[in-house]
Amino acid sequence: DIQMTQSPSSLSASVGDRVTITCRASQTVSSDFNWYQQKPGKAPKLLIFGASTLLGGVPSRFRGSGSGTEFTLTISNLQPEDFAIYYCQQTYSTPLTFGGGTKVEI
Amino acid sequence: EVKLEESGGGWVQPGGSLRLSCAASGFIFSDHYMDWVRQAPGKGLEWVGRSRKKGEGHTTEYAASVTGRFTISRDESKNSLYLQMNNLKIEDTALYYCARVGPPGIDAFDIWGQGTKVTVSS
Repeated sequence: DIQMTQSPSSLSASVGDRVTITCRASQTVSSDFNWYQQKPGKAPKLLIFGASTLLGGVPSRFRGSGSGTEFTLTISNLQPEDFAIYYCQQTYSTPLTFGGGTKVEI
Repeated sequence: EVKLEESGGGWVQPGGSLRLSCAASGFIFSDHYMDWVRQAPGKGLEWVGRSRKKGEGHTTEYAASVTGRFTISRDESKNSLYLQMNNLKIEDTALYYCARVGPPGIDAFDIWGQGTKVTVSS
């Protein structure tokens, strides 16, 4: 199974900040890699697929990059609605696996 | 509106069974892989399994933790996905989501249901 390791597990930030979340895969996943956002009591929401493509409607302050084993989610100009938990996921091979999550809090 | 709605969750004793349903609407159900994902209380996301589309024989795959106990099926006539869970264990307690794998080019869960809660306890 491909292990996905996210860091940090949590971070504190302020509105207007730029934050970076990293996800490392235990073996290559090419660009079969996605980022999700989950707010309390809600289902996860897809933000970025294919490592770097924003889903329609996702603000451009979200940016995904990387390929192979190292991936990054950058949120520029953090907004109040961005405080949430972010998960990475690989879809390169089954079993599909998620990172442990990064909680972005004030 | 594209929508997934899960139902069937509840409380069950260890060793018991439960069948979850996921009703899809607003899209061509038969064109998509459909998966189940679960989230234990206060924990992260865990993939449970997949049902491939009709054109791929509705084949299924499962996480090792549920293989042999859980079965995924789908009824195209009802636009519904199911998760039959047998021999439930305490560690199966979670919120269970059904999720749609996106159209070609979007190999990700682009639509999620609201989840249905399963509690396994004596």
